[in-house]
Amino acid sequence: GEDVEQSLFLSVREGDSSVINCTYTDSSSTYLYWYKQEPGAGLQLLTYIFSNMDMKQDQRLTVLLNKKDKHLSLRIADTQTGDSAIYFCAVLSGGSYIPTFGRGTSLIVHP
Amino acid sequence: DADVTQTPRNRITKTGKRIMLECSQTKGHDRMYWYRQDPGLGLRLIYYSFDVKDINKGEISDGYSVSRQAQAKFSLSLESAIPNQTALYFCATGTELNEQFFGPGTRLTVL
Repeated sequence: GEDVEQSLFLSVREGDSSVINCTYTDSSSTYLYWYKQEPGAGLQLLTYIFSNMDMKQDQRLTVLLNKKDKHLSLRIADTQTGDSAIYFCAVLSGGSYIPTFGRGTSLIVHP
Repeated sequence: DADVTQTPRNRITKTGKRIMLECSQTKGHDRMYWYRQDPGLGLRLIYYSFDVKDINKGEISDGYSVSRQAQAKFSLSLESAIPNQTALYFCATGTELNEQFFGPGTRLTVL
């Protein structure tokens, strides 16, 4: 089955860019998602990208997909303290109806 | 009002007790899911349902059961709770693009 890996922690200074990385194993993956979980809350869908796209931009968020390396990244420009949260990558394999989630990356933004 | 609601939000119970966690949604989605979240393990799928007559086991269904009472309602039961079922439980709904929308979670403690 699909395996999705993320680093557990990322620390950045307020105002800098954050880049959260995700790798996956199934080359037939179709949809790839980024979710945000704030303390005490459920996951919130931030954005997703279809596998025939290389990049998607939405305001401060940029998603990059490298299919050859099976690598997905989420860039947050001008990171703010309100961006502190856990970010989950999720990948939908071809032929599956259930996304596989990574373990989440805790983003810590300090002044 | 929230699109996906879960009750209760917090529950403390004793080993051997039967517990039911309830989930309701107003998004009109056919797909519903139950996950548990444990620190460092990310999200693990317990059960999912793609319509009222459809129930499927996820990766960790042992010790759990579900009931899909209506399109809007999906409940999770622990027939005889044990301490290693202490976790944060999330209900989610999903679209045909497999975007998922999560409830706020239920924190369950089994003593």
